[in-house]
Amino acid sequence: GAGVSQSPSNKVTEKGKDVELRCDPISGHTALYWYRQSLGQGLEFLIYFQGNSAPDKSGLPSDRFSAERTGGSVSTLTIQRTQQEDSAVYLCASSLAWDRGRSPLHFGNGTRLTVT
Amino acid sequence: AQSVTQLDSQVPVFEEAPVELRCNYSSSVSVYLFWYVQYPNQGLQLLLKYLSGSTLVESINGFEAEFNKSQTSFHLRKPSVHISDTAEYFCAVSDHQAGTALIFGKGTTLSVSS
Repeated sequence: GAGVSQSPSNKVTEKGKDVELRCDPISGHTALYWYRQSLGQGLEFLIYFQGNSAPDKSGLPSDRFSAERTGGSVSTLTIQRTQQEDSAVYLCASSLAWDRGRSPLHFGNGTRLTVT
Repeated sequence: AQSVTQLDSQVPVFEEAPVELRCNYSSSVSVYLFWYVQYPNQGLQLLLKYLSGSTLVESINGFEAEFNKSQTSFHLRKPSVHISDTAEYFCAVSDHQAGTALIFGKGTTLSVSS
């Protein structure tokens, strides 16, 4: 079946520009995560959506970062006024939140963001 | 808040040697524990998990991890590694309460050479 789909796979942008990264989770998965992966920092949690509950935004590094999840499915991560330190691979993952133990996170292939 | 510490960022070993990748977590409540693996140029995938019951869990490719509540650890071990085990390994924790995020450690790069 279809896995988690992320687009674009690569994005190069100039410092100061805004970017939008998209994630299509697996159908039926109510939990959706965004992580950032960069060298030396490992996998950094950004934001977590679960069903209709208020998202856990505790990992967002600054107010330049925001995310939405429309209709409980597709999610968009927006970075405003990008900085060079925002360069990283942004990973999206989804799971069946009602049974975290039996349903692991399914990760997309990520969007590699390069800010020049 | 939960946190995960992977004590070694890089672990180089020779083929057929044993290996242990260390993971400690911090949480005040009951937790689920996971190891995820990322092979070169591939996405993250689940390696093994501890939910409840037996504290020793195994993967299909010979890795095992033991949950130690008193030491808040979930170290990953393999008695004899292969070149193909070269990858980055991430330990992760979440508590049993619905609505909480899965938190990952910074990862350990295992490099197996002949």
